[in-house]
Order: sequence, then C-alpha cells, then structure tokens
Amino acid sequence: KQEVTQIPAALSVPEGENLVLNCSFTDSAIYNLQWFRQDPGKGLTSLLLIQSSQREQTSGRLNASLDKSSGRSTLYIAASQPGDSATYLCAVRQGSGNTPLVFGKGTRLSVIA
Amino acid sequence: GAGVSQSPRYKVAKRGRDVALRCDSISGHVTLYWYRQTLGQGSEVLTYSQSDAQRDKSGRPSGRFSAERPERSVSTLKIQRTEQGDSAVYLCASSLGESSYEQYFGPGTRLTVT
Repeated sequence: KQEVTQIPAALSVPEGENLVLNCSFTDSAIYNLQWFRQDPGKGLTSLLLIQSSQREQTSGRLNASLDKSSGRSTLYIAASQPGDSATYLCAVRQGSGNTPLVFGKGTRLSVIA
Repeated sequence: GAGVSQSPRYKVAKRGRDVALRCDSISGHVTLYWYRQTLGQGSEVLTYSQSDAQRDKSGRPSGRFSAERPERSVSTLKIQRTEQGDSAVYLCASSLGESSYEQYFGPGTRLTVT
C-alpha cells in the first residue's frame, strides 16, 4: 500500500528565505506527483504536476523535483513571502487512467514578515 | 467557466441521520472524486466515478458511503447513519479524464456530526 510522508509537519521561516519542503513515498511505481496548496477553510489549489518521466517542474518562484527511484520529491520556494503561508500537500497517482491520489498529511508553512 | 463547486459549505447533522453532499464539476470533466480530510488521517479517497457511470467506483468500499451521478457534471455523496467519526471536510475533485490531467478541487464541505 502506497504511503506518502511529508517532513516537516510544520515550518516557520522569516520573509525572504528560500525553503524546501520534502515528500517521500514508499512505492516508486507512480504515474505522477502533484503538489497542492491549501489555505485555511479552503479547498486545494494545484501548484505543480510532475509526470513520472520528468525530473522537475517550475512555476514562478516554485520548483518541484522528482526522484522516482528513491521515492522522493521536493518543493522549493524561493524568496518566501507572507502570502506563501499555507499548508502544502504532496500527492501521488499510483497508476495511469483515473486512479485517485494518495496524499501526505501536509506541511504547514508560516512565513513571518 | 466556473471551477468545482460544492454545497452546502457547512453541514451539521445529528448522529444517525443521513446526509447528502453535492458537487458540481467543471464542464467537460469526466471523472469525479470524493476525498475525506481529517486532522488525524489527512486526505483519503472515498469513492470516484468515471464518465457517465451512475455507480461509484469505490476507493474505500463502505456500506454507508455511496456516490450518485445524476448528471454528467454532478455528483452527490450520500452518507447513511452518520457517526461522530464522520466529522470531516469532504472534498470533491474532477479531472478531464486523460491520464495526465490534473485533478481540480472544490472548496469542500465541512460536516459536523453531533
């Protein structure tokens, strides 16, 4: 059974700092990996999706990498801002087709002005 | 067009009652998913359905949880005989149906069972 772990569970950094969020998964036979952002009381906003054949994806100040063989992904946030404060969730899709996502429990990020 | 919407946003139910939660997906999306989010368990899939299938394709089969698809872009999650442990945020997501497409999530319905 696939298990997704995110470390740390919570992180507090000063504004402007670069930071890395970690995600690991036990079964490396994934189809793709998705990073989400969730604000309190809100749904999930997709940030980046990496296919299993890709090594990384970039969007603005965000960069997500994938090392499928070692079962790891990182989300790099450059020049953090208070508006980045949210919970970041990592999720993997195990197979092709319309299989559901398996989520980690998230990292709660606070960026202090 | 609009994104995925869910109603109601908040629901309080007495233990033992049945509840129905609605999801309106993005037009043209084929697959609809229901996830449950709690502090202890994180986010877990409950059920999902593809295309026009009226039956759910359960990720976690449970006699009390079922999903109906009365219209292509509408799904209703039904919870029978609610228990206090059912208190959670229920998230609906949809995707175009192609294997590489992302899932788009609604804002969720927060269910409190008293």
